Amino acid sequence: NAGVTQTPKFQVLKTGQSMTLQCAQDMNHNSMYWYRQDPGMGLRLIYYSASEGTTDKGEVPNGYNVSRLNKREFSLRLESAAPSQTSVYFCALSLATTSYEQYFGPGTRLTVT
Amino acid sequence: GQQLNQSPQSMFIQEGEDVSMNCTSSSIFNTWLWYKQDPGEGPVLLIALYKAGELTSNGRLTAQFGITRKDSFLNISASIPSDVGIYFCAGDKAAGNKLTFGGGTRVLVKP
Repeated sequence: NAGVTQTPKFQVLKTGQSMTLQCAQDMNHNSMYWYRQDPGMGLRLIYYSASEGTTDKGEVPNGYNVSRLNKREFSLRLESAAPSQTSVYFCALSLATTSYEQYFGPGTRLTVT
Repeated sequence: GQQLNQSPQSMFIQEGEDVSMNCTSSSIFNTWLWYKQDPGEGPVLLIALYKAGELTSNGRLTAQFGITRKDSFLNISASIPSDVGIYFCAGDKAAGNKLTFGGGTRVLVKP
């Protein structure tokens, strides 16, 4: 996970609360991703950003928004948290849009009650 | 929904054993990657495969990109206790650089 930091590591929210998960990199990689991991489901892509200022939806974008204001940071926002969003969230990077090797952060464990 | 099927879903290893797991799909993939995840951490890339038929090793790990481009397997030789974890396959279908992940194979130590 060297080079990718995620904050916070753990968070508990009540239904309807909002929060932003932060991801920052020092690897100078162009593409950044947000995944969620649920038991038995592997990793599912929420949103990704091929480069600074661009974002695209992944497989499960509903209920989330993202922001890529600079090359280093990619944030994921839950505007109104729901229990179905209880999950472990991972940020990942890849060097370029033509690179399929993705490198993951340590994760944020989110519980929505 | 999930397009990559990993088997077995879980397995027990005994130190020194060789173990094998695979990943299959009904779709063609252009790239296959294998990741390992330890408890409480993010997945770590083990091996990347880019050509059909390619066989690549990383230490005691060997992975192959199936000729049909619809499957891949991972072998661990002479397993050790730190091989315990969850192994994920991932593939790219040339739809940008978005990966599809399998559900994982959980490797546990035989009691």
